Amino acid sequence: GNSVTQMEGPVTLSEEAFLTINCTYTATGYPSLFWYVQYPGEGLQLLLKATKADDKGSNKGFEATYRKETTSFHLEKGSVQVSDSAVYFCALKGAGGFKTIFGAGTRLFVKA
Amino acid sequence: ETGVTQTPRHLVMGMTNKKSLKCEQHLGHNAMYWYKQSAKKPLELMFVYSLEERVENNSVPSRFSPECPNSSHLFLHLHTLQPEDSALYLCASSQDRGTRDGYTFGSGTRLTVV
Repeated sequence: GNSVTQMEGPVTLSEEAFLTINCTYTATGYPSLFWYVQYPGEGLQLLLKATKADDKGSNKGFEATYRKETTSFHLEKGSVQVSDSAVYFCALKGAGGFKTIFGAGTRLFVKA
Repeated sequence: ETGVTQTPRHLVMGMTNKKSLKCEQHLGHNAMYWYKQSAKKPLELMFVYSLEERVENNSVPSRFSPECPNSSHLFLHLHTLQPEDSALYLCASSQDRGTRDGYTFGSGTRLTVV
C-alpha cells in the first residue's frame, strides 16, 4: 500500500539557517505529493504541492521537488525564521484515489 | 465566512455525555473528512463523505457517529466516549474526493474526555 516516511524531529535551527526535512514515499503509479504545516493550536494548512515527476512546489520561501527516481519530496528553505516554528507533514494522494496518507510530522523549532 | 470552520474549539465531556462536533465549509467543496490527531501518533482518517454519501469508514468505533446533511456541513456525534478518545479532531474538505489540489482543514476541536 501507499506510505510516507519523513524524518523524525524535533529539528532545532537558528534563525537564517538552511532547512531540509526529508520525505520519501512508496506508491504505485503517479501520486500527488504535498507538504502541510501546522502552527500551534491550529489545523493543518497546505504549504505546497506537486502533481507530477520533476515538478517543484513552492510557497513562502519553501520548496520541494517531486523526485520519482528517488521517491522523495524533501522540503527546503534557504533561511528560516522564528515564525516558521511548527509541525510539518509530508503527504501523498494516490492516482485515482480519494485518501491522503500523511507522514508522522516533523516538529521544527527556530531559535532567535 | 470563508474556509473551514469547526465548533466548538474546545470541549470537555464526561464518559456518559452526548455531544456533537460541527464543521462547516463555504468553499463549494463536495468532499469532507474527519481526522483524529493524537499526541505522538500519525493523523488517523475516520470518515470520508463525498456528495453527502459516506464512502469510507476506517473501522471507527460506533461511539463516533458522523452525519453529513448537505455538502457544506459535517457533524461528528459523540456518546459514551473513553479517555483515550481525547484528541484534536480535525475536519477537512476538498473539491472532490479525487482532486489533486489538497485539503483545506479547520482549526480543530480539542476534545478532553474525563
